[in-house]
Amino acid sequence: AQSVTQPDIHITVSEGASLELRCNYSYGATPYLFWYVQSPGQGLQLLLKYFSGDTLVQGIKGFEAEFKRSQSSFNLRKPSVHWSDAAEYFCAVEGSSYKLIFGSGTRLLVRP
Amino acid sequence: GAVVSQHPSRVICKSGTSVKIECRSLDFQATTMFWYRQFPKKSLMLMATSNEGSKATYEQGVEKDKFLINHASLTLSTLTVTSAHPEDSSFYICSAGSRQSSTDTQYFGPGTRLTVL
Repeated sequence: AQSVTQPDIHITVSEGASLELRCNYSYGATPYLFWYVQSPGQGLQLLLKYFSGDTLVQGIKGFEAEFKRSQSSFNLRKPSVHWSDAAEYFCAVEGSSYKLIFGSGTRLLVRP
Repeated sequence: GAVVSQHPSRVICKSGTSVKIECRSLDFQATTMFWYRQFPKKSLMLMATSNEGSKATYEQGVEKDKFLINHASLTLSTLTVTSAHPEDSSFYICSAGSRQSSTDTQYFGPGTRLTVL
C-alpha cells in the first residue's frame, strides 16, 4: 500500500540554522513526490515537486529536496531558516487517480 | 502557481442545518477537484474526488449522502454538509487540478473552517 511517513512530529531550529525535514514513502512505481507548507488556519502551498529527472529539486522560498530511490526518501532542506518559515510541512506522494497521500506532517518551530 | 478560492472561509451553523462550501479555480479549468478534511493538528484526509460532469468518487468510510459533492463546471465544485452535527466540525480544504500532462499539480484552496453548534 502507498504511504508516506514523516517521523518527526515537531522540529525546533534557531533562526539562521539549517533545516532538514524527513520524508519516507512507500510506492511501487516511480513516485511523484511533493512538499507542501501550511500556515495556521490556511490552505496548503506547494513548495516543490519531483516527477523525474534531476533528483535534487529546487523550490520556492529557498527550499530544496533530494529524491533518493535507494532510501525511499524525499527530505526537505533549507540552508538558513527564517522566522517566517515556522509552519506545518507535509510530504505527499501521488497515488492512483492523481490522489495525494499525505504524511502526518512536521511542525517547524523557529527560535529567535 | 494557479489560484484556488474557497467560500466561505469560516462558517458557524446550528446542528441539523446544511452548509454549502464552494471551491473555485480562478485562472484555470480544473477537470478534477478533491475535497479533504483536516482535524486539528492532523494530516489531510481525502474525502472524495470529483470530476467535472460526473459523480464524485468517495473514499471508504465517507458518507456520500451526508457530504454531497457537485462539480458542475470546470471552475466550480461544491461540498454540502447535510444535517450537520458537531462531529462534522472541521477544516475542509479543496484542491483543483487539470491533468493536461503527467506533470500537472494540484493547487489547494485556503480552506473553510466549519463549526457546528
